[in-house]
Amino acid sequence: DQQVKQNSPSLSVQEGRISILNCDYTNSMFDYFLWYKKYPAEGPTFLISISSIKDKNEDGRFTVFLNKSAKHLSLHIVPSQPGDSAVYFCAATRSGSARQLTFGSGTQLTVLP
Amino acid sequence: NAGVTQTPKFRVLKTGQSMTLLCAQDMNHEYMYWYRQDPGMGLRLIHYSVGEGTTAKGEVPDGYNVSRLKKQNFLLGLESAAPSQTSVYFCASSYSSISGIYNEQFFGPGTRLTVL
Repeated sequence: DQQVKQNSPSLSVQEGRISILNCDYTNSMFDYFLWYKKYPAEGPTFLISISSIKDKNEDGRFTVFLNKSAKHLSLHIVPSQPGDSAVYFCAATRSGSARQLTFGSGTQLTVLP
Repeated sequence: NAGVTQTPKFRVLKTGQSMTLLCAQDMNHEYMYWYRQDPGMGLRLIHYSVGEGTTAKGEVPDGYNVSRLKKQNFLLGLESAAPSQTSVYFCASSYSSISGIYNEQFFGPGTRLTVL
C-alpha cells in the first residue's frame, strides 16, 4: 500500500518553461511534506518543504503547493533549467517515530535546451 | 566537514555471504537512518536510530541488522545475503525532532550492492 504516490515516472520540458511535478498521499496523519532531488550516483538532496498548516511555500525558482482536501502536492519549477534534470522524490512525514520519511517512487525530469 | 559518508561504494556478494555497510556522519546528528532504493519504488526505510545505543525497525527490516555503538556511526549488516537484497543503500542523518519540528535529513552517496 503506497502511501505516497508519484504517478508520472518521467517528464520532459523545454528550457525556460514551467515544470510541474505532482504527488498524492493517502495518510492523513502526514503533517510535513518534502521534495528531494537526486542526480545519478549521488544521494538525494533536500530541495523544499511545506508544513500541513500552509498551502504554499516558495524558494527562488521552486514553489510547492499543498492541497490537503485533495491530499495532493505539486512542485513548480520556473523557469526550468537544464541543470534541473534529475529524479525528484516527493516525501512525507508525521510527528513522532523519529520523523521517518515515506517516499514516492520518483519522477525523472528532463529539461531540454 | 564531510557530511554523511558510506563505505563501501560498491560490493558484489554471493548468496549466503555476509557483509557490513558503514555509515559515518560528522554533523553531531542524533538520528540516523538506513534506506534502500529499488527501481520504480523510491526509497524505503530499513532501520533507524534515535541515538547512540538505540535502533528501531523501519518499513523493510527483514534480513538486516543494525548497530549504533557510537553516535557518529550506524552500521547495517546482512548476515546471509539474498538476491532480493540487490539494491542501492542510502544512509541519512538528522538532528532530533524536538516538539515535532522536522529537521532535514542529509543523505550519503549510497552503496550499490549486488547479490549473485
